[in-house]
Amino acid sequence: SQTIHQWPATLVQPVGSPLSLECTVEGTSNPNLYWYRQAAGRGLQLLFYSVGIGQISSEVPQNLSASRPQDRQFILSSKKLLLSDSGFYLCAWRPLLAGNTDTQYFGPGTRLTVL
Amino acid sequence: KNQVEQSPQSLIILEGKNCTLQCNYTVSPFSNLRWYKQDTGRGPVSLTIMTFSENTKSNGRYTATLDADTKQSSLHITASQLSDSASYICVVSAGISGGYQKVTFGTGTKLQVIP
Repeated sequence: SQTIHQWPATLVQPVGSPLSLECTVEGTSNPNLYWYRQAAGRGLQLLFYSVGIGQISSEVPQNLSASRPQDRQFILSSKKLLLSDSGFYLCAWRPLLAGNTDTQYFGPGTRLTVL
Repeated sequence: KNQVEQSPQSLIILEGKNCTLQCNYTVSPFSNLRWYKQDTGRGPVSLTIMTFSENTKSNGRYTATLDADTKQSSLHITASQLSDSASYICVVSAGISGGYQKVTFGTGTKLQVIP
């Protein structure tokens, strides 16, 4: 069976500090991987998606970046956090060949608070 | 612009009662519509998925309907339980070829079931 892990679960960081959130998927190969942010009272906002190692697409301009050093590892980073980066960060995966009935499977999320 | 609107924004019902959540979308070309359940502080979990040709789909006490002509969907919860308290998110995918489908998330309906 497939599982998706995210860590840390919660994080409190000062403004201007760096960030590294990690997401790993087990039990599947060549998944599509996604990073979302969910601000309080807001819908999910797609930040990045990746269809393969080293292939990253950005949906919105921001001070965040993403990397995919391994097939089942997706990392969200920032060199200097802003207050507006606070939120709930979700990683998700989707099978590569899912057809038009694809479902994205979400990780448990990381609650980031920037002070 | 692709949009997904959900109503009501929040809802409180008594345990054992039924409720219906609404989702209106303007996503083109339509590929599929999914309902997710998101417990507080957790990642969303898929409940149902429907393509253009499907107008109803059930998952236990959850029944989703889809009217592709009016671009509306509903999620009906029967005999609600306290564990149904969560946010319910409507997600609509546009059919774009390649490794990624354009996915639009609603802002969700927050349901609280009280004893």
